[in-house]
Amino acid sequence: AQTVTQSQPEMSVQEAETVTLSCTYDTSESNYYLFWYKQPPSRQMILVIRQEAYKQQNATENRFSVNFQKAAKSFSLKISDSQLGDTAMYFCAFMKGGSQGNLIFGKGTKLSVKP
Amino acid sequence: GAVVSQHPSRVICKSGTSVKIECRSLDFQATTMFWYRQFPKQSLMLMATSNEGSKATYEQGVEKDKFLINHASLTLSTLTVTSAHPEDSSFYICSARDKPRMDNEQFFGPGTRLTVL
Repeated sequence: AQTVTQSQPEMSVQEAETVTLSCTYDTSESNYYLFWYKQPPSRQMILVIRQEAYKQQNATENRFSVNFQKAAKSFSLKISDSQLGDTAMYFCAFMKGGSQGNLIFGKGTKLSVKP
Repeated sequence: GAVVSQHPSRVICKSGTSVKIECRSLDFQATTMFWYRQFPKQSLMLMATSNEGSKATYEQGVEKDKFLINHASLTLSTLTVTSAHPEDSSFYICSARDKPRMDNEQFFGPGTRLTVL
């Protein structure tokens, strides 16, 4: 079975600074996808970034980038130039390739961006 | 991006009654829909996966007779909580996926807060 671990329950960062959220996972699969989702106070789940396991290049979406270390089974999220609107719960998630699309979520990291 | 709606956004019911939550994909056909449950300050836990026209697949520990899921069309799935009890109070979130078109992305509804008195 796959597991996703987020070891930082809460983090805070000053506005305009950079913060890195950690995520590790365990799987015996070779084909899979990793995601970071944001859940603001509205509770709406928003996809932040996605990484295909077969791609060596780290995914980047504007201020958000990942450090994907496949051998170490690590998938951290870096948020640059943090903004107040980045305040939210962040969930790391795993999806097995070729599956129906079931997502396995970590427990989440609550990020607070301080002015 | 694709839009998924849920109705109602919040519902309060008495213990012993049944509650139906609707999940709709507004601008795409959802071949697969997922239902999650989220307790306060916790993560999302997958309850069941449903494919249009098929019976839902429930995760271990989820009572299929209590949480009835119907995916009768490519744009609508419903979750009915039968004989609700206070311990069923939670935040329920659906998501939808159109696998042939959307690669591996799924889109989430805004959630439904259920409170059972």
